[in-house]
Amino acid sequence: DTEVTQTPKHLVMGMTNKKSLKCEQHMGHRAMYWYKQKAKKPPELMFVYSYEKLSINESVPSRFSPECPNSSLLNLHLHALQPEDSALYLCASSQDGARQEGYTFGSGTRLTVV
Amino acid sequence: QKEVEQDPGPLSVPEGAIVSLNCTYSNSAFQYFMWYRQYSRKGPELLMYTYSSGNKEDGRFTAQVDKSSKYISLFIRDSQPSDSATYLCAMSETGGYQKVTFGTGTKLQVIP
Repeated sequence: DTEVTQTPKHLVMGMTNKKSLKCEQHMGHRAMYWYKQKAKKPPELMFVYSYEKLSINESVPSRFSPECPNSSLLNLHLHALQPEDSALYLCASSQDGARQEGYTFGSGTRLTVV
Repeated sequence: QKEVEQDPGPLSVPEGAIVSLNCTYSNSAFQYFMWYRQYSRKGPELLMYTYSSGNKEDGRFTAQVDKSSKYISLFIRDSQPSDSATYLCAMSETGGYQKVTFGTGTKLQVIP
């Protein structure tokens, strides 16, 4: 299995809703990432988990709350989002070795906040 | 000045052409260099990664890194309509999970 699976593929939520994005990989990767991507822009790093511990938080607002229940799963809990949070949310994973050998990205969740 | 600069395009070429995609960067500490391909409404797909300077070839794709000029390139030979996508360069100072800096992407269209 060489894939990162993200669900749901599309999500529309109101500003008062609570929802969660899910990400799963079975490649034995020990680093997992959440990225946000706006149209015609590169991905922006939000969070990094290494060995199930939060290692990097790029000063993301608290309305985004990550969770790593185990080495294969990564969640992003969403609450009280704003319309400007509408974007493609990408999960990625990688080996956490000494060399940088790139990430495997999922297909993303396209989020619309109304 | 942005840390990584990439011509946004769009770049239109006829099928069968050789395509050259480029990035320049300012951070001399970058050691790892990657190229991703992103189709519309999909996640980026890793094409190639290289360490330090030199060339790396994989099928129709060749990646080049010139650290002295702070310049990296991706060449696509015999381009196909299926190569139409946005190409993102990416780089990092170290391995592991440390932050990767992406270019803004070049949109490529290969015309049949």
